Amino acid sequence: AQSVTQLDSQVPVFEEAPVELRCNYSSSVSVYLFWYVQYPNQGLQLLLKYLSGSTLVKGINGFEAEFNKSQTSFHLRKPSVHISDTAEYFCAVSPTGFQKLVFGTGTRLLVSP
Amino acid sequence: DAMVIQNPRYQVTQFGKPVTLSCSQTLNHNVMYWYQQKSSQAPKLLFHYYDKDFNNEADTPDNFQSRRPNTSFCFLDIRSPGLGDAAMYLCATSLAGGSNEQFFGPGTRLTVL
Repeated sequence: AQSVTQLDSQVPVFEEAPVELRCNYSSSVSVYLFWYVQYPNQGLQLLLKYLSGSTLVKGINGFEAEFNKSQTSFHLRKPSVHISDTAEYFCAVSPTGFQKLVFGTGTRLLVSP
Repeated sequence: DAMVIQNPRYQVTQFGKPVTLSCSQTLNHNVMYWYQQKSSQAPKLLFHYYDKDFNNEADTPDNFQSRRPNTSFCFLDIRSPGLGDAAMYLCATSLAGGSNEQFFGPGTRLTVL
C-alpha cells in the first residue's frame, strides 16, 4: 500500500519570502508524484508532476519540486511567494499501473504582507 | 478549452431528499472519478469508472450511487442525504495507461438542511 505524509498542516510565511512544503511517501512499487493546489471553493489544479528523468521538476506559478528517491521525498519550493499563493497544497502519488491517486492530508500556505 | 465541468456549483437539499450532481468532460478521457472532500481534509475517493466498468471503494456508503451514460457524462446520486454528507464533491478525469494525472472540475458544494 502507498501512503503520503505532509507533516506541516499549516505554513505561515511573509510575502516575498521563500517557502518549502514537505512531502514524504512510502510505496513498495514505483510511483508517479504530483503536487496540486486548491484555492477556496475550487477544484484541484495541477502544479507539477514527476514521472521520470530529471529529479528537479518545474511547475506553474514559479513552483518547483525535487524528487529524492533515497529519502522518498518530493518537497515543493518557491523562492519568493505572493499573497495570491495562499491556498491548500496537496501532495499525491500514483502507483504505476493503478488508476488512483493517494493524497496527503494537505498543507495550508498562508502568505501575509 | 478542454475541461471538466460540474453542475451545479452549489446545491442545497433537505435531509433525506435525493440529489444528483452532474459532471461532464471534453477531454475524451476514459476514466472518471468522484471524490468527497470535507472541510480541511484531503479528497476521498468514492468510486471511479474505467470506461463503463464501475469501481466502488470499499468504504463508500450504499447511499452513494453513480451513473455514466456515455464517455462525456457522469452523475453522482445521493439517495438519502444526511447532515454528514454535506461536503464538496469533486469530479476528475484521467487517461488510462498514462501517468494517472487527474484533471479536476471546480466542484459542487452540497449543503444539507
